[in-house]
Parts: sequence; structure tokens; C-alpha cells
Amino acid sequence: DAGVIQSPRHEVTEMGQEVTLRCKPISGHDYLFWYRQTMMRGLELLIYFNNNVPIDDSGMPEDRFSAKMPNASFSTLKIQPSEPRDSAVYFCASSALRGGWGGYTFGSGTRLTVV
Amino acid sequence: AQTVTQSQPEMSVQEAETVTLSCTYDTSESDYYLFWYKQPPSRQMILVIRQEAYKQQNATENRFSVNFQKAAKSFSLKISDSQLGDAAMYFCAWGEYGNKLVFGAGTILRVKS
Repeated sequence: DAGVIQSPRHEVTEMGQEVTLRCKPISGHDYLFWYRQTMMRGLELLIYFNNNVPIDDSGMPEDRFSAKMPNASFSTLKIQPSEPRDSAVYFCASSALRGGWGGYTFGSGTRLTVV
Repeated sequence: AQTVTQSQPEMSVQEAETVTLSCTYDTSESDYYLFWYKQPPSRQMILVIRQEAYKQQNATENRFSVNFQKAAKSFSLKISDSQLGDAAMYFCAWGEYGNKLVFGAGTILRVKS
């Protein structure tokens, strides 16, 4: 398996623009998580899905953020409009419970810079 | 709410020596999992080791081992025979089965040659 695949790896955008981050989880994993990492706040959970259904979105900072998982192999995190304070590394991770829980497998992250 | 505390922002170790990274957590749950993740400069998050709370035996993975003290809510990571490639940020994490993970703030480990 290729692991969790995130795109793009880097994104630079201007304030006010829409940004879409993409994630392909590991095949067969039924949980998908979006985290944000900053120096000030560390790793924060934004939202997670189980079998494509959002379970907990209490970490989504505000209405400018939205996430979807239209099928088991794809998820998006959208920021509209983007602001400089959204600059961070955004991680997607997936997980499976079959055979015990081995924790998450993370993607390589998207570094977002909003100027 | 569950919290995870890593009290050492930064640690240093000489190559080939042993270092221990500390982690404490707060929870009222009795069944849960604990993890250590490594994040090198490449920023990839890599699972180092995991511990199931119902297992009394401490987990080991080659040069990495944990000291799990459930009553004290402590979960330290010991790295033996440290190597230059061990230099990274290390995160301790707590989670219930299949649920979200709560991460500590991280400890930067520097390895001196």
C-alpha cells in the first residue's frame, strides 16, 4: 500500500482565496482524521470520519472550514476564505480497528501558507 | 477532558547513550491506548511504539521501550543506543479504541556525535 496520500505538499495562497486540501486514506481503513499543527497550538484534531460519516467536528475552528468524505477513498478539507492565521501544516491520518488498533497512519502533510 | 503532558521541551543525548522521554496523562477511563510518534525534520509522523492499557507488560520495539505506570498515569519512552537518526520531535498520544488521539506538546530530541 502507498500509505496515506495528501496533496498538495505545499500551498501558498493569498488571503481571501479558497484552499482545498486532499487526502486518500489507506484502503480498508474506516477512520479518517484531519489534524492541524502549529508551533503555538501543537497538533489539534479538526474533524474525524468513520465509514465516511463525520463523527466529531468540534475542532473545526469556524465556518470558514469544511470537510467532506464522499467515499471511502477520498476526503477534502476546504478553507474559504483563507486567512493568514490559517497558515499551518495540515495532516490527514487513517486508521483501522480490524485485528486490533495500531494507531494512526499519517500522510506527509500539507504546509499551507496564507499571505 | 483528557490531557497529555510532556514536561521536557528539549532533551539531548550522546550517540550510543540512553535517553528517557517523559509523558503523563490525565483520564478517568480504564481502557485506552498510548502511543509515541516521531516527527523528523521531514515532518512525517512515524509510529514508534504503542501500549494497550490493559496489558501490564511494557511494550518494546528494538531499541525503543516504554515504562508504563497506569496508576501514576505515566508513559515514558526509553531509547537505547541512541543514533543520529533518532533526532526528531517525539509526541506522546492517548486515545480510546478507535477514537481520536490527544497529543502532547512534544519533546525535541537532539543527538550529539
